[in-house]
Amino acid sequence: NAGVTQTPKFQVLKTGQSMTLQCAQDMNHEYMSWYRQDPGMGLRLIHYSVGAGITDQGEVPNGYNVSRSTTEDFPLRLLSAAPSQTSVYFCASKNSGSTGELFFGEGSRLTVL
Amino acid sequence: ELKVEQNPLFLSMQEGKNYTIYCNYSTTSDRLYWYRQDPGKSLESLFVLLSNGAVKQEGRLMASLDTKARLSTLHITAAVHDLSATYFCAVDSGGSNYKLTFGKGTLLTVNP
Repeated sequence: NAGVTQTPKFQVLKTGQSMTLQCAQDMNHEYMSWYRQDPGMGLRLIHYSVGAGITDQGEVPNGYNVSRSTTEDFPLRLLSAAPSQTSVYFCASKNSGSTGELFFGEGSRLTVL
Repeated sequence: ELKVEQNPLFLSMQEGKNYTIYCNYSTTSDRLYWYRQDPGKSLESLFVLLSNGAVKQEGRLMASLDTKARLSTLHITAAVHDLSATYFCAVDSGGSNYKLTFGKGTLLTVNP
């Protein structure tokens, strides 16, 4: 039972490079989201999706793009990486009609030099 | 805008002692979640609190929710080293059932 799978787990980028963080879930969850975690800041919502073809911005969306073409996948794109995007990124999912908890992936640690 | 405040942010305890972590939030919500995170790991769900007066217990941890006071507590009884971790509370923003706003976390260290 894979749950929420994120790749890569570690990545180093140079300023200005682009990359995509992948997130896949096998629980048929409608809701998927991306958070970033920075020291002393808790987790902050970047983008979220309540179903295929539907995305919306969270608290800190600038510099990130998302799309949701399938229920299973929710990639996060950095178009031109900046040092301020150095962070740990978590993908999370749940059934949107459920009051249950979010299920988190293992995280992707990104360093932008 | 929903704000979630935890205190303390850092907590150093001796084994065997009791302590409480507080989670205050700024707008009406009746859905509050507690998570645990070990260093370098993902977040693990501890408790889901869905109504005023809800109380959940698991081992040495007990969580409660007072929606009128906009306050949740995570009480630790007779702490042991294995409880050392960062604990986050998260509140459902606007009753969406999915958008969670997190507190900054409480780093708990339990010393022998």
